[in-house]
Amino acid sequence: DAKTTQPPSMDCAEGRAANLPCNHSTISGNEYVYWYRQIHSQGPQYIIHGLKNNETNEMASLIITEDRKSSTLILPHATLRDTAVYYCIVSKWAGSYQLTFGKGTKLSVIP
Amino acid sequence: DTAVSQTPKYLVTQMGNDKSIKCEQNLGHDTMYWYKQDSKKFLKIMFSYNNKELIINETVPNRFSPKSPDKAHLNLHINSLELGDSAVYFCASSQDRGGASGNTIYFGEGSWLTVV
Repeated sequence: DAKTTQPPSMDCAEGRAANLPCNHSTISGNEYVYWYRQIHSQGPQYIIHGLKNNETNEMASLIITEDRKSSTLILPHATLRDTAVYYCIVSKWAGSYQLTFGKGTKLSVIP
Repeated sequence: DTAVSQTPKYLVTQMGNDKSIKCEQNLGHDTMYWYKQDSKKFLKIMFSYNNKELIINETVPNRFSPKSPDKAHLNLHINSLELGDSAVYFCASSQDRGGASGNTIYFGEGSWLTVV
């Protein structure tokens, strides 16, 4: 399995960009990078995913390095409601694409 | 409308009881899952069904039995509940098994099971 490494916690000032790093140095060519977040007591929420190219949607941007060994999730203007645990996941194929959650990064957005 | 809904949201029960958690998705997805999040907050897959067919069955005690009456529903039955079964159980669904565009999985809000 491709493992991911994330910092356990980060702080970000409200209104500033939050840049969450993830290392996935053992990723295989057909494995996707997914980002989910879990706000306290809620179900995990899909944010964005990508394979090789950078991706952007209404929630965030995903920057994947050319060698695909790391990525960064960018929340352009963090709000207090973005406080959550953010999971970087490399999906693996096992009859279906699986998501294996690690410990994630606890992002605290500070007023 | 909630895309992936599960009931009950909270369940407190005694050891040895048998209980069920129901899950329904209205997204028209073909694949459904059950995940378990324990007290240490690790989220692990338990089962996956595609069009009512079991495709993933992780190492889970056979006291846990998923049942899929149709592709919109995946219920989780737990027999002889133990203290260690206390956790949050998340139902989820995805369009299919995954393909060229990956496989985005959508989660329900969780069912908090406490065994006393």
